Amino acid sequence: TQLLEQSPQFLSIQEGENLTVYCNSSSVFSSLQWYRQEPGEGPVLLVTVVTGGEVKKLKRLTFQFGDARKDSSLHITAAQPGDTGLYLCAGARDSWGKLQFGAGTQVVVTP
Amino acid sequence: DARVTQTPRDKVTEMGQEVTMRCQPILGHNTVFWYRQTMMQGLELLAYFRNRAPLDDSGMPKDRFSAEMPDATLATLKIQPSEPRDSAVYFCASGLASGANTGELFFGEGSRLTVL
Repeated sequence: TQLLEQSPQFLSIQEGENLTVYCNSSSVFSSLQWYRQEPGEGPVLLVTVVTGGEVKKLKRLTFQFGDARKDSSLHITAAQPGDTGLYLCAGARDSWGKLQFGAGTQVVVTP
Repeated sequence: DARVTQTPRDKVTEMGQEVTMRCQPILGHNTVFWYRQTMMQGLELLAYFRNRAPLDDSGMPKDRFSAEMPDATLATLKIQPSEPRDSAVYFCASGLASGANTGELFFGEGSRLTVL
C-alpha cells in the first residue's frame, strides 16, 4: 500500500490541452515535493511546498498544497511534448526528513 | 558539475550471486537514500542515512540486503544472495537536510539490475 496515492496512473493528451495530476494521503506531511523523471534517468525536483494552502507556479506548471497538508495537485496549462514524463510526488513526515514517493503518473503529450 | 555517481549502470547476474552497488553522493550533502524502482511498486525506499548514520532501513529485506556508508564519499548497497525478484533499477540520491526539512534530493542515473 502506497503512503501517497497518485491519480491518474496514466494520462495521454494532445499538445495545447491542460492536465491535472493528484497526490493524496491520509497522513500529514511536513513538506511535499514534485519530481519529473524521464526514461533512463533519475527523478529531478520541480518544486517543494511546505505551507498548507500554498500555491507555487513554475512557468506553465501550478502546484498546490492542500490546507491540511495531506494532498497536493499539479496542473499543467497548454501542455507541450517536452512535458512528457513520469511525475512523482514525495512527502516527508518524520522529523528526519525521510522522503517517500507515490507510484507516479505517466504523462504523454503528443504533437 | 556536482552530481551523484552510481556504479555499475547495468548488471546482469545469476540467482545466488552477490551484487554490490556503489554510490558517490554530492560533496557536502548530509543525507543519502537508496530507492528501488519497478513498474509494479514504483520507487520504494530501502535505506536512509543522515551524516553517515543509518536512520531507517525498514524497507530492506534484512536477510539478504545490507547498506553501509564506510565514509562520506561512498555508500554501498549489497545483495547476497540475489534473487530474480530483486531485478529493478536501484537509485541513490543525496541531499542537504536541516531538521525535518528534506531539501532537494539529487538522484544518480540508477543501476539496472537483472537477476536471471
